[in-house]
Amino acid sequence: DIVMTQSPDSLAVSLGERATINCKSSQSVFYSSNNENYLAWYQQKPGQPPKLLIYWASTRQVGVPDRFSGSGSGTDFTLTINGLLAEDAALYYCQQYYSIPWTFGQGTKVEIK
Amino acid sequence: EVQLVESGGGLIKPGGSLRLSCVVSGFSFTDAWMSWVRQAPGKGLEWVGRVKSKTHGGTTDYAAPVRGRFTISREDSKNTVYLQMDSLKTEDTAVYYCTRTAGSFDYWGQGTVVTVSS
Repeated sequence: DIVMTQSPDSLAVSLGERATINCKSSQSVFYSSNNENYLAWYQQKPGQPPKLLIYWASTRQVGVPDRFSGSGSGTDFTLTINGLLAEDAALYYCQQYYSIPWTFGQGTKVEIK
Repeated sequence: EVQLVESGGGLIKPGGSLRLSCVVSGFSFTDAWMSWVRQAPGKGLEWVGRVKSKTHGGTTDYAAPVRGRFTISREDSKNTVYLQMDSLKTEDTAVYYCTRTAGSFDYWGQGTVVTVSS
């Protein structure tokens, strides 16, 4: 199984500043035949289901604000939130869909400082 | 508008069975691959299993903790995906979400709560 490890477990960021969340996979999730990284990012607020933010490591889902961006390749990935808003306080998860079983990171809690 | 509505959760004793349903609207269910993802209280997300579309064979895959106990099926005429859960254990206690799957999970239901306790 591919193990996904996020860092940090939590972070507090001031409004308007940048939040950076890292995700590392235990093996590469890059598929050379289509040049894609099989990595997604989700946001989850209390009492709500997760919401897909980013797929293929860097493609924003329709309707996701452009202050959210994803980067990285192979085994190391980053979710960046620029210009943090109060509504961005949430849990964030990365997920690999390179191989079954699909697996998630443990989550990173973003709080407002 | 896309909607996924789960039902069937509840309180069940260890060793018991439960069947969850998820009714879908707003997209072509026939072409969709569907997954179940669960979240134990205060914990992270765990993929449970997936069923492919009939055109891709309708086959299923499961996570190791549920393989042999849980079964995912689909009824395209009713736009419904099911999760049959047998031999339930206390560690199966979670919110169970139905999701549309394209590798990533782009649409989610609100979830249904399953509590396994004596």
